[in-house]
Amino acid sequence: GAGVSQSPRYKVAKRGQDVALRCDPISGHVSLFWYQQALGQGPEFLTYFQNEAQLDKSGLPSDRFFAERPEGSVSTLKIQRTQQEDSAVYLCASAIALGPSSYEQYFGPGTRLTVT
Amino acid sequence: SQQGEEDPQALSIQEGENATMNCSYKTSINNLQWYRQNSGRGLVHLILIRSNEREKHSGRLRVTLDTSKKSSSLLITASRAADTASYLCASNGTASKLTFGTGTRLQVTL
Repeated sequence: GAGVSQSPRYKVAKRGQDVALRCDPISGHVSLFWYQQALGQGPEFLTYFQNEAQLDKSGLPSDRFFAERPEGSVSTLKIQRTQQEDSAVYLCASAIALGPSSYEQYFGPGTRLTVT
Repeated sequence: SQQGEEDPQALSIQEGENATMNCSYKTSINNLQWYRQNSGRGLVHLILIRSNEREKHSGRLRVTLDTSKKSSSLLITASRAADTASYLCASNGTASKLTFGTGTRLQVTL
């Protein structure tokens, strides 16, 4: 079946612009995670949702970052007033719950954000 | 911040040889997952091993888990050029999120 899709795949923004990154999870997956991957590093957790509820946003680096999932399916990660240090690949993962706090996560192709 | 580490950072082998990559993590886990990442692309889920499992197989992949040492290993047998990629382990602790290492870059040459 269809996997996780993300759009756009590439985004170039001028410093100070706002951007919105979209994630379409695997149909029926209740849980959705966002990660940020800097060049040469492993992904780092940003936030996650169960249905429309944002259960953990402890990884969001600043209040310029905002995520939502209003209908419990598609999610959007918004970055306001982008800065150069926001340049990274943003990965979305759709997840199957295996038990309390235990998930099997399937990733989309990511959005590569470059802030100039 | 990263909490996992893979070892070695880079590995170069010839086609047909086996590749072993190790991973360490720092906190108690529910499960540990291995992913493959090709340059500039997303993460492909390879295998998940639960905290109460010690070994798991999937095709040419064999994963072991030692919770007493907080470590895991991934063995790829009979490697192929198409296996060239970065391999990352990710621990799923009690906070639901995955904590990744920086990965092992595997190069398989003909």
